Amino acid sequence: EVQLVESGGGLVQPGRSLRLSCVTSGFTFSDYALSWFRQAPGMGLEWLGFIRSKTYSGATEYAASVEGRFTISRDDSKSIAYLQMNSLKTEDTAFYFCTRSYYFYSGGLTTSGAFDKWGQGTMVTVSS
Amino acid sequence: SYVLTQPPSVSVAPGKTATITCGGNNIERKTVHWYQLKPGQAPVLVIHSDTSRPSGIPERFSASHSGTTATLTISGVEPGDEAEYSCQVWDSTNDHPVFGTGTRVTLL
Repeated sequence: EVQLVESGGGLVQPGRSLRLSCVTSGFTFSDYALSWFRQAPGMGLEWLGFIRSKTYSGATEYAASVEGRFTISRDDSKSIAYLQMNSLKTEDTAFYFCTRSYYFYSGGLTTSGAFDKWGQGTMVTVSS
Repeated sequence: SYVLTQPPSVSVAPGKTATITCGGNNIERKTVHWYQLKPGQAPVLVIHSDTSRPSGIPERFSASHSGTTATLTISGVEPGDEAEYSCQVWDSTNDHPVFGTGTRVTLL
């Protein structure tokens, strides 16, 4: 069974850092891209960024809203993805989710399949 | 950047059919996926690759993709179907996903 489980959330003061983990099982982790999303209270789903598989250099892309503050990494040997969040702000308060997708070339362009499996999320509260 | 437009809300009586549209420039050239979103819960993929239903998703969820619009149809709507639904494509130019503006399905 495919599983993704986020952890590492909690209460943190503004300006501090937090690292979330996404522990996965039930699939070949190294074949997939891993993305992070968040949903703030009363708001919609926001894509934060993703990390490609090593086949595609393991490079990352980020949403403009978090680029420079958030970093995504992966450890294929442990089937874990990470979201390092620095200089946290109160507006970063949200549920954070990880999800997988299959990233590939098609017709000379890179594309991705659907985000078919998601973790249950971990809550991050940024408050003094 | 690429924009996907959905109606903000759809109201439907229990047991009836809800239809949600998703429009975007040249969307006919893109592969569309659909998600069910509920607050505080993990998103659920209900349709992938334009029209395919993942295992475990009820048959009352179906979709089509024709011309400039993709459409999600929920037949025989049940109370548990009350949620926001969002379409999604991949923006190959910027190499990131694009989600639709979201449609809230409400039961009458």
